[in-house]
Amino acid sequence: DGGITQSPKYLFRKEGQNVTLSCEQNLNHDAMYWYRQDPGQGLRLIYYSQIVNDFQKGDIAEGYSVSREKKESFPLTVTSAQKNPTAFYLCASSSTAGTGAETQYFGPGTRLLVL
Amino acid sequence: GENVEQHPSTLSVQEGDSAVIKCTYSDSASNYFPWYKQELGKRPQLIIDIRSNVGEKKDQRIAVTLNKTAKHFSLHITETQPEDSAVYFCAASRGSNYKLTFGKGTLLTVNP
Repeated sequence: DGGITQSPKYLFRKEGQNVTLSCEQNLNHDAMYWYRQDPGQGLRLIYYSQIVNDFQKGDIAEGYSVSREKKESFPLTVTSAQKNPTAFYLCASSSTAGTGAETQYFGPGTRLLVL
Repeated sequence: GENVEQHPSTLSVQEGDSAVIKCTYSDSASNYFPWYKQELGKRPQLIIDIRSNVGEKKDQRIAVTLNKTAKHFSLHITETQPEDSAVYFCAASRGSNYKLTFGKGTLLTVNP
């Protein structure tokens, strides 16, 4: 999991502002995921991508957008339409074939706070 | 879609005792069940996983059991130590190319 990095560690958003969270991996994984973590809520899937230039909505995609232009990068934008963005955001990646392909490895997370 | 229920939400044990966390899932097609440990402010880390072709898997003090008929699986930690204190998450999926669905987590506290 040390091959997944997220930045920044902390991010502050003002009302009406879009902010972008970075996620990079050097594990040569095909699949990447974004989760939101709130206290007592576990991890909820926002978006995921199994291949470059393709992604799917997860369970709570409203107010978020993503892109997957490169295999190693999967940035998440929290738009102004997301009315309650304060949370811990976790990026993960996994292979899509071979032994252990299901295993997801997580980045260190970004904590987003609203000013 | 898949639904994963996890119990208990909090668990407090004395050092050296055993701890058991249980999860149930709804999708009978799920065949991959990982457990993650998350320390405060840190990333979740995989501690053990099991696939549907086995009923039990052990790794030192940690074991996972799976009952496919009843659609539940459990994490067992023996000889608990204070460093085992963390939030533990179970999850289920149909395997690679399918998304993971997580339980809401169990806060385990091991008292010295």
